[in-house]
Amino acid sequence: SQLAEENLWALSVHEGESVTVNCSYKTSITALQWYRQKSGEGPAQLILIRSNEREKRNGRLRATLDTSSQSSSLSITATRCEDTAVYFCATDGQGGRALIFGTGTTVSVSP
Amino acid sequence: NAGVIQTPRHKVTGKGQEATLWCEPISGHSAVFWYRQTIVQGLEFLTYFRNQAPIDDSGMPKERFSAQMPNQSHSTLKIQSTQPQDSAVYLCASSMTGGNTEVFFGKGTRLTVV
Repeated sequence: SQLAEENLWALSVHEGESVTVNCSYKTSITALQWYRQKSGEGPAQLILIRSNEREKRNGRLRATLDTSSQSSSLSITATRCEDTAVYFCATDGQGGRALIFGTGTTVSVSP
Repeated sequence: NAGVIQTPRHKVTGKGQEATLWCEPISGHSAVFWYRQTIVQGLEFLTYFRNQAPIDDSGMPKERFSAQMPNQSHSTLKIQSTQPQDSAVYLCASSMTGGNTEVFFGKGTRLTVV
């Protein structure tokens, strides 16, 4: 069963545009993480946002967390072709468990 | 730091044969995870060790699958009597302490059962 799920299967944008991936989750959480997986590689963490944080930034990435609606978003500004990947949200709920990943959103950035 | 190392990167087995997948976690990490990834099911959690002890194997198929961590430097995932539906990318990951902390993944082992 999924603790968290991204809301769209796929998004396509052109280089330089912004893109937002949304995620909803089902349980109380201590933190939510965003990961990116490029072809042929394992997922790599982008941002960890804790339940007492509303926003977290990492360069061109911005994550938000709304615990009242149990949702999170990851925005990428000034996209580049190398941002093409599958983006996952993940959480272990209240802590102490393994991370459970959503189904992922494929973001394609074209020139 | 070479990251999480998984071997082999690709493995082809005949139906009914056994497959053993190896993982070397990042030195100093106490938590080790195994996941399975397919197009249909996505990234599925299989099992989790902390300080070499099994913590959660709720994602492991009850038959034919087993995982061990005999020492802090490697873990194995064994699949007996492989079936075509076992074909997937198997990902090993490690983290400093487990829980909601950053998890570092290996590149995975692509298992194909023919």
